[in-house]
Amino acid sequence: LAKTTQPISMDSYEGQEVNITCSHNNIATNDYITWYQQFPSQGPRFIIQGYKTKVTNEVASLFIPADRKSSTLSLPRVSLSDTAVYYCLVGDRRALTFGSGTRLQVQP
Amino acid sequence: EAGVAQSPRYKIIEKRQSVAFWCNPISGHATLYWYQQILGQGPKLLIQFQNNGVVDDSQLPKDRFSAERLKGVDSTLKIQPAKLEDSAVYLCASSLEGTRAEAFFGQGTRLTVV
Repeated sequence: LAKTTQPISMDSYEGQEVNITCSHNNIATNDYITWYQQFPSQGPRFIIQGYKTKVTNEVASLFIPADRKSSTLSLPRVSLSDTAVYYCLVGDRRALTFGSGTRLQVQP
Repeated sequence: EAGVAQSPRYKIIEKRQSVAFWCNPISGHATLYWYQQILGQGPKLLIQFQNNGVVDDSQLPKDRFSAERLKGVDSTLKIQPAKLEDSAVYLCASSLEGTRAEAFFGQGTRLTVV
């Protein structure tokens, strides 16, 4: 399974765009990139998934360069309620493997 | 659509006692996961089921942990005997199939071993 590296923590202010980058240098051909969000006292929640280029949904965008060795989760105009831990996962049909995640703190 | 149900929400036991957690996945979801999340860490996979078969249990401490998924639906995770280091949140998740499908997590069971 591809190992992922993310920043431990990030700080932002309400209304700003936040970009969280994940490195996955040994990603395999069949691997997809998936991001989850976790609030305190809750289970993780799926945000977005992609294989290459760009994916956008109502919550976030995911940018994946051609070599797929990294990916960037973009959260537009964050609010206080986006304060959470964000996990980058890389894998194919095997188990979801979580790293330590990035703790995002949004300030007013 | 009903989510993943877990019970109990909280459990406090003494070390060397046994405990069991129950999970009811979303209807129709073939894949079921059990995770252990220690405070301040990411979830760690304990076991993955595909229907009622085990796909991955490489990180399950089999000398004290056991899990089953009868009839490919509900699942139970048991710890016997519990140790202090087992204090954690135990999360159950389910998905339609494999890791490409979105996994839905329950709220978890917070276990405290004293």
